[in-house]
Amino acid sequence: QKEVEQNSGPLSVPEGAIASLNCTYSDRGSQSFFWYRQYSGKSPELIMSIYSNGDKEDGRFTAQLNKASQYVSLLIRDSQPSDSATYLCAVKKGGGNKLTFGTGTQLKVEL
Amino acid sequence: ETGVTQSPTHLIKTRGQQVTLRCSSQSGHNTVSWYQQALGQGPQFIFQYYREEENGRGNFPPRFSGLQFPNYSSELNVNALELDDSALYLCASSHRGTVNSNQPQHFGDGTRLSIL
Repeated sequence: QKEVEQNSGPLSVPEGAIASLNCTYSDRGSQSFFWYRQYSGKSPELIMSIYSNGDKEDGRFTAQLNKASQYVSLLIRDSQPSDSATYLCAVKKGGGNKLTFGTGTQLKVEL
Repeated sequence: ETGVTQSPTHLIKTRGQQVTLRCSSQSGHNTVSWYQQALGQGPQFIFQYYREEENGRGNFPPRFSGLQFPNYSSELNVNALELDDSALYLCASSHRGTVNSNQPQHFGDGTRLSIL
């Protein structure tokens, strides 16, 4: 079992729709959760962080965390073609800075 | 505020050679982490440096080594390069104020290393 699992996609959504990206993790000791966006050929860019159960909203992005189910998700409202990228889920356990990443989900927003 | 900068941006080496990659951390950040991202994969943690010492290591062989300098900049050294070392190498910095700091990490633009 991989430590962090994501559906590789591609996930295709029409412009203006809600994109839903999902991630599960295996280590119940994980405490911090992050979503990074990565455009082709570029480095990952942090877009959301979440540390406690529930929802966290930032503009068009909402991160959702359910520690009991070991599940974290990212919703993108009013999807735009510029949101087309690979979205990486990352988790961190305890102190230190080691992030464990999933393989990423490719999102395609179609006109 | 200056972000994380990495050099060089691209590098081509041959098997068996050695390489040094460099990273300047974001202003105010005292911790540097290095990651390897192979094509189609998520980044894999190599190691992190705090106060000029290695402070956590992933599943990478000893030929991957590093340094952190008093100004918090860092180097990643890879000896005896192998074809599988071809990847994007990412540096991330953060400020570690407490042992259980949840400070998020921001990545530099990376160095793309190709091994022929």
